[in-house]
Amino acid sequence: SQELEQSPQSLIVQEGKNLTINCTSSKTLYGLYWYKQKYGEGLIFLMMLQKGGEEKSHEKITAKLDEKKQQSSLHITASQPSHAGIYLCGAAPTQGGSEKLVFGKGTKLTVNP
Amino acid sequence: NAGVMQNPRHLVRRRGQEARLRCSPMKGHSHVYWYRQLPEEGLKFMVYLQKENIIDESGMPKERFSAEFPKEGPSILRIQQVVRGDSAAYFCASSPLTREGYGYTFGSGTRLTVV
Repeated sequence: SQELEQSPQSLIVQEGKNLTINCTSSKTLYGLYWYKQKYGEGLIFLMMLQKGGEEKSHEKITAKLDEKKQQSSLHITASQPSHAGIYLCGAAPTQGGSEKLVFGKGTKLTVNP
Repeated sequence: NAGVMQNPRHLVRRRGQEARLRCSPMKGHSHVYWYRQLPEEGLKFMVYLQKENIIDESGMPKERFSAEFPKEGPSILRIQQVVRGDSAAYFCASSPLTREGYGYTFGSGTRLTVV
């Protein structure tokens, strides 16, 4: 079965600093989702990547899917306290078929003002 | 357009009682997914339903857990005879068609505490 490993598990940065979170899959990724979760709340959809080499940006957050489609990175530029939370990557384990997602365990981000 | 609505937000049950968790998908969404988030274990898929149909329940425990998505009304995740290990956050997500290009929309979750 597919597994997603996220690194680091937790990250503490000063406001204004850049940071990167990685998500590595044990198998080829057919769709890679990034979500953000604040404590006690649901998941907020950030971005979805499907094609090898694809890169998407939303405000100060950029996500990339590598050419081999087994790793994705999430980069935050000039971090702010509002970026704090748990970042989760999720992946479709197969191409088509059941629509369930497999998730990594998350990266907890703290941004100190 | 309201998002995915889950209720209750918090639910406390004594061991042996039943827990019913409700999920109303976004308007126009006909696919519902339930996930469970245990401390330190991440988000785990439980079941995928369409109206009146269970598509994939490979993540559901074999006993005490059941799910339905009737023609009318919300999807229900039912846990019978709850035990302390059932304490977790249960999330529902919905999508309009397949996930391709749409992603999921998640609800805020129901936090179940078994005492």
